[in-house]
Amino acid sequence: NAGVMQNPRHLVRRRGQEARLRCSPMKGHSHVYWYRQLPEEGLKFMVYLQKENIIDESGMPKERFSAEFPKEGPSILRIQQVVRGDSAAYFCASSPQTGTASTDTQYFGPGTRLTVL
Amino acid sequence: AQSVAQPEDQVNVAEGNPLTVKCTYSVSGNPYLFWYVQYPNRGLQFLLKYITGDNLVKGSYGFEAEFNKSQTSFHLKKPSALVSDSALYFCAVTSVGSSNTGKLIFGQGTTLQVKP
Repeated sequence: NAGVMQNPRHLVRRRGQEARLRCSPMKGHSHVYWYRQLPEEGLKFMVYLQKENIIDESGMPKERFSAEFPKEGPSILRIQQVVRGDSAAYFCASSPQTGTASTDTQYFGPGTRLTVL
Repeated sequence: AQSVAQPEDQVNVAEGNPLTVKCTYSVSGNPYLFWYVQYPNRGLQFLLKYITGDNLVKGSYGFEAEFNKSQTSFHLKKPSALVSDSALYFCAVTSVGSSNTGKLIFGQGTTLQVKP
């Protein structure tokens, strides 16, 4: 049973370019969370998605960031016009929703490390 | 607002000795508490969680944690540390509240260094 898959593992972009980060949840999981780990900071929640729905985007920056989880295919975190401050590790987690969202275990992927030059 | 505090940036312990990594929390409502471990350049691995029931929770790799409601704490423990336990440890909380979306609120992390 493959775990949460994220690609690419490393991504380098120049300022002003777009970054697309992909996340495939564990088999049978229909809930995806994105977190960001900035240098010298802890992990911060960004967005929670179910298939074709954004449930909670309270942690997303207001501009340049968007996320989707289509009916088919991986979840995508998109960052437009990247700036140096976007350099961070971005982690995806999935959960099976066997109970309530608050009690389910989230399983994390290996992360995508974004470097903006 | 919900928050988690890990008061120690780093914990040093000798191999074979018991270890404790501290965590306190602040939530409105019932807390659901989690511990994760992160090895360098890797994702987070789930260790254990407290939802309800017995205050002592046992998890992976010999780790356990004790939920203490009066002290709002959820300290991670292991009776005998291994060098391979050296990693970054995160405590996290969710709670049932107005937005039951399961988003994890993480502490800043504690680096555990186990010396041979």
